[in-house]
Amino acid sequence: EPEVTQTPSHQVTQMGQEVILRCVPISNHLYFYWYRQILGQKVEFLVSFYNNEISEKSEIFDDQFSVERPDGSNFTLKIRSTKLEDSAMYFCAPAGGLNTEAFFGQGTRLTVV
Amino acid sequence: SQELEQSPQSLIVQEGKNLTINCTSSKTLYGLYWYKQKYGEGLIFLMMLQKGGEEKSHEKITAKLDEKKQQSSLHITASQPSHAGIYLCGASNQGAQKLVFGQGTRLTINP
Repeated sequence: EPEVTQTPSHQVTQMGQEVILRCVPISNHLYFYWYRQILGQKVEFLVSFYNNEISEKSEIFDDQFSVERPDGSNFTLKIRSTKLEDSAMYFCAPAGGLNTEAFFGQGTRLTVV
Repeated sequence: SQELEQSPQSLIVQEGKNLTINCTSSKTLYGLYWYKQKYGEGLIFLMMLQKGGEEKSHEKITAKLDEKKQQSSLHITASQPSHAGIYLCGASNQGAQKLVFGQGTRLTINP
């Protein structure tokens, strides 16, 4: 199984602070997806990213969220001003193409206090 | 929008017993993914099914996608404590990789 490294594994931040979550795929992936899972709830799609631009986003992905691939390798999810309800596990899932196996990173647990 | 319903929501079985988890979709499934998750941890990819009638196995876990492609089942044979966890099904739309997930099935294996 291809490895997907997410950092940090756990982050605690104060409400209103900015956080950046990072995803480093081992292979050259073309498609990147971010999901989140609030504790005890379903895994929810946030955003998909292809060819250096957002291809689709959910209602959750509002103006407080942004994604980018700053150096052609790392893939980041930024939350500008965190809210308590942003507390969740955030998962990165890169893919080599459409309709291919989808491997998830181990996740970043974000706790907003 | 597509909805996935998993059943049962939780399952307790004795070690060595067989079990089945179902995932039913409100729309035709083009890609169906099964994952295992330990509580509060990452998703471990198990299998992906795309064709109606397709069946895949990995060790003691078998997944099937029914002919009409609106339901999938995950079957575990001779369950072991290592099988304990939360099993999630995820579905993709045709031509897209975005996944919609079911609510999960919590599996407990009693020794």
